[in-house]
Amino acid sequence: KNQVEQSPQSLIILEGKNCTLQCNYTVSPFSNLRWYKQDTGRGPVSLTIMTFSENTKSNGRYTATLDADTKQSSLHITASQLSDSASYICVVSGMDSNYQLIWGAGTKLIIKP
Amino acid sequence: DGGITQSPKYLFRKEGQNVTLSCEQNLNHDAMYWYRQDPGQGLRLIYYSQIVNDFQKGDIAEGYSVSREKKESFPLTVTSAQKNPTAFYLCASSIAGPGKRTEAFFGQGTRLTVV
Repeated sequence: KNQVEQSPQSLIILEGKNCTLQCNYTVSPFSNLRWYKQDTGRGPVSLTIMTFSENTKSNGRYTATLDADTKQSSLHITASQLSDSASYICVVSGMDSNYQLIWGAGTKLIIKP
Repeated sequence: DGGITQSPKYLFRKEGQNVTLSCEQNLNHDAMYWYRQDPGQGLRLIYYSQIVNDFQKGDIAEGYSVSREKKESFPLTVTSAQKNPTAFYLCASSIAGPGKRTEAFFGQGTRLTVV
């Protein structure tokens, strides 16, 4: 069964600190992996999209990594800011099932001053 | 201003009532989607449409209906057959079909509550 698992479920860190969020998936055959940021009560906003051949992709203070062999991805946030408080969702697209997106449940990140 | 507009932001439904959620986009995207989000769960696909006058069921289509009469509009009706409709509903659009490394853009969501 195609699944996307994220850890931790929630995380609290102090402003200015770094953190890393994890994503494991079983989707096969793999097409691409995305990370979204979702503020409470709002729609998700795309941070990165990575394909099989991309190991690392950055978007400002956000850096995503992908290991397609072990089916793992991580999202690293550097020098966290209060505005980083949100849910971060990992989404994987497979080549079958008409490229449907398989959504993880998200990691809820809280940045404390 | 380009984007996706969902309305209303909050909606209350009495039991046994049908309600319609609006989704409009001016991005000239062919594909549009409806998702449902429940606490602690990933988004689940209700319906999607890749072209006008055509749409496909997603994973949880029972109790929902859609239409795609115009490229810009993809309204979702939550019928009385949907037994647990209280949730956050998200509409999205993309240039091409789902998942092919095409970015999906989301509206701000409609929170539906059964009273």
